[in-house]
Amino acid sequence: ETVLTQSPGTLSLSPGERATLFCRASQSVSSSYLAWYQQKPGQAPRLVIYGASSRASGIPDRFSGGGSGTDFTLTISRLEPEDFAVYYCLQYGSALYTFGQGTKLEIK
Amino acid sequence: EAQLVQSGGGLVKPGGSLRLSCEASGFSFSDHSMNWVRQAPGKGLEWVSSISSSSSYISYADSVKGRFTVSRDNAKNSLYLQLNSVRAEDTAVYFCAGLWLEDIDYWGHGTLVTVSA
Repeated sequence: ETVLTQSPGTLSLSPGERATLFCRASQSVSSSYLAWYQQKPGQAPRLVIYGASSRASGIPDRFSGGGSGTDFTLTISRLEPEDFAVYYCLQYGSALYTFGQGTKLEIK
Repeated sequence: EAQLVQSGGGLVKPGGSLRLSCEASGFSFSDHSMNWVRQAPGKGLEWVSSISSSSSYISYADSVKGRFTVSRDNAKNSLYLQLNSVRAEDTAVYFCAGLWLEDIDYWGHGTLVTVSA
C-alpha cells in the first residue's frame, strides 16, 4: 500500500500570499493517478488538480500542481479568502486508493 | 446537472448492520466505476471501497475487508454499501464518489453513520 504524507500539517498565511503544499509518496506514483482535493467544513471534497498538474473544471489558474515519482506539490499563487480550507492528495495504484492526511490552510 | 443523492445513514449498535445507498443522475452511471470514502469526526478522508462499472472488479480497504460489501444496480443508477459487524471506529460520514482522476468528479453530500450502544 502506498502511503501519502502531506506537509505541513497546518499552513498559516495571509490573503495575497503564495502557498505551497507537499505530498510525498512511500513509493513511486504515476502522475496520471495523483490528484488534489479541497474540502471546506461541512462540505464534500472538491477536485482541484488531476493528473498531478491539470486543473479541474472551474478551478482558477492561481492553482497549479507539479511533481513526479514520489514528490508532488500544490501551489496557490495568490491566496483568496475562499482558498482557506483543508487540502488532500489522493493516489491510485494496484486497485487501491490512498489519501494523504491533509494540510489545513488557515488565515494568519 | 449531475447529482449523487445518498441515503441510509443513522445510528447502529456495535455488531449491527446498515445499508447505504447512493442514487446517481445527470451522467452515465453505468459507464463509470464508483467508490465509497469515509471521514471520521474531525479526521481526514479514508478510501473504503471501489467497484467497476460492470461490478467485475471490487476492492476494499483492509480496515473494512470481510465486513463491508459494495454493490451496484446500473438499471437503477444506484450504488450500495452494506455495513456488517460494525465497530465504533466505523463511525464516520460516508461519501459516494467518482474518484475518476479525470477533469470531472462527483461526490455525494455524505451520510453520517454512528456506531454506539
